Amino acid sequence: DAGVIQSPRHEVTEMGQEVTLRCKPISGHNSLFWYRQTMMRGLELLIYFNNNVPIDDSGMPEDRFSAKMPNASFSTLKIQPSEPRDSAVYFCASSVQGAKNIQYFGAGTRLSVL
Amino acid sequence: TQLLEQSPQFLSIQEGENLTVYCNSSSVFSSLQWYRQEPGEGPVLLVTVVTGGEVKKLKRLTFQFGDARKDSSLHITAAQPGDTGLYLCAGARGGKLIFGQGTELSVKP
Repeated sequence: DAGVIQSPRHEVTEMGQEVTLRCKPISGHNSLFWYRQTMMRGLELLIYFNNNVPIDDSGMPEDRFSAKMPNASFSTLKIQPSEPRDSAVYFCASSVQGAKNIQYFGAGTRLSVL
Repeated sequence: TQLLEQSPQFLSIQEGENLTVYCNSSSVFSSLQWYRQEPGEGPVLLVTVVTGGEVKKLKRLTFQFGDARKDSSLHITAAQPGDTGLYLCAGARGGKLIFGQGTELSVKP
């Protein structure tokens, strides 16, 4: 079975540019999570969806960040405009809501903003 | 303020040694999970503990959930180079997971 698929795996962009990260959750999973991982702050939850509806976006750093889930098989995390401090590894994870909170992670997108 | 404190943050040991990683909080969690992450990959679930005092074993790894469900430990017996990686604990609360900072383990042959 395919796991959580994220694209791109690596993204290098210049400050001020728009960045879009993509995620395809595991089929049948109805919860989707976006995380950011840095050395300083560890793994932080940015936002999560249940049944395509955003439930908690309190972790989104600021208005430059936005996330959408137009259907059960696709989600995007957009940063506009990007800044060097956004450089991090961004992970998407999916789960079956209520199933002991077990989350399955994608391989991540390593973002470098120059 | 970190809700889940892991210690130590870094651990470098020789093959064959034993080690324990701790995950502590002042808050109660409905369950606690341990993940292992290798470079360039996402975290992978090792175990979930749900009941206070619960002990689970996974080959050379022993996981324990504190009686009050606020803390947990991971003990590895006779560590091997293949155990090298980032170990993360995560507490479940309100449909989401709160992760600790992680313990970077390096096992040298």
